[in-house]
Amino acid sequence: QVQLHESGPGLVKPSQTLSLTCSIFGGSISSEGYYWSWIRQPPGKGLEYIGYVYYTGATFYNPSLKSRVIISVDTSKNQFSLKLTSVTAADTAVYYCARDVSVGAYSDWFDPWGQGTLVTVSS
Amino acid sequence: QSVLTQPPSVSGAPGQRVTISCTGSSSNIGAGYDVHWYQQLPGTAPKLLIYGNINRPSGVPDRFSGSKSGTSASLAITGLQAEDEADYYCQSYDSSLMVFGTGTKVTVL
Repeated sequence: QVQLHESGPGLVKPSQTLSLTCSIFGGSISSEGYYWSWIRQPPGKGLEYIGYVYYTGATFYNPSLKSRVIISVDTSKNQFSLKLTSVTAADTAVYYCARDVSVGAYSDWFDPWGQGTLVTVSS
Repeated sequence: QSVLTQPPSVSGAPGQRVTISCTGSSSNIGAGYDVHWYQQLPGTAPKLLIYGNINRPSGVPDRFSGSKSGTSASLAITGLQAEDEADYYCQSYDSSLMVFGTGTKVTVL
């Protein structure tokens, strides 16, 4: 059974870069048909899709964040990472990593999810 | 603001049936894209509840069912139980971007 686990600093200063890593256990990041994703949830609010990376290194980013986001993969460590630059208080959220299961054009769902990690942007 | 609209809250007594709507448009649900549903218990990560409009992953009770018609989808919970008190989110595509619904809090009276 695949499990995901996020790690990284819980506090980031404004204008700096948020960096998180998601480690995959019980499965391979190189499995075909799975896209490795980041999703965030501001405190008390809904879910926002950030983007994904495929094991080949191919990426897709939410246009609203595209200019500040980099998602990368490290197949040797079975991990993928998120970098979000120039953060502000509006980037304070619980950040989840999740496996995007794709079975065809425009039919993707997320399963499983990591437990999430709260990142606070504050000086 | 999400393009998939859900009622902020629904409630019901134990044993009752409740439904949660997910209303979209011709650029998302109405375009034929599948809808998926997640349950988020307090303080935990979302968990897949329904995929491909109507399918339940292994381990999800058959009290939960999904449907889709036109530009909307629905999640029904029959035989409501105290453990079903949670936030529920729909998810689909909108113009090639994955989007989530606004979320619905289910309260068991």
